[in-house]
Amino acid sequence: DAGVTQSPTHLIKTRGQQVTLRCSPKSGHDTVSWYQQALGQGPQFIFQYYEEEERQRGNFPDRFSGHQFPNYSSELNVNALLLGDSALYLCASSLRGVHYGYTFGSGTRLTVV
Amino acid sequence: SQKIEQNSEALNIQEGKTATLTCNYTNYSPAYLQWYRQDPGRGPVFLLLIRENEKEKRKERLKVTFDTTLKQSLFHITASQPADSATYLCALDKANAGKSTFGDGTTLTVKP
Repeated sequence: DAGVTQSPTHLIKTRGQQVTLRCSPKSGHDTVSWYQQALGQGPQFIFQYYEEEERQRGNFPDRFSGHQFPNYSSELNVNALLLGDSALYLCASSLRGVHYGYTFGSGTRLTVV
Repeated sequence: SQKIEQNSEALNIQEGKTATLTCNYTNYSPAYLQWYRQDPGRGPVFLLLIRENEKEKRKERLKVTFDTTLKQSLFHITASQPADSATYLCALDKANAGKSTFGDGTTLTVKP
């Protein structure tokens, strides 16, 4: 049973560019959340998708947007990249209405130069 | 504003001893508190969840306590092993909030 799959694993982008990160949730999960983790810090919540809609959002600017597809997979898009966007981006999946922890992927390491 | 504090220093212990990690929070009324393990370059791995009406939860060598009066959770690893060396994160959730607020983690090193 595959867990959460994220792609790509590493990415280098230039300031001002746009990036798309992808996530496939664990089999049987229908909810996807995205987190940003800077070095030495805990993950920070970006947003959560359920039934193809953004349900919750953290304190991130509109440059951060997302999408969920009918097969529950999700994308995170970041426009106009800043140096400060360099971080590990984590996708977590869960089953709506069942709260027993999240299943995280290994993340995408984004470096903005 | 909401604040979560974990052990400010890294924790070093000898193999076989009990490791105790602390998670304190302010300006927050969580319905759930979770503990995760994170290895370098990997995503967090869920370990335990405790609800606000529970005092203690155990799973094999792991034990979590939750004191909503003190606004504190303690995470214990008994009979620690070098393989337990990792960063441990606590995360708080409000009921039906749909998001977790994480602490910055405590790095545990278990020496043989």
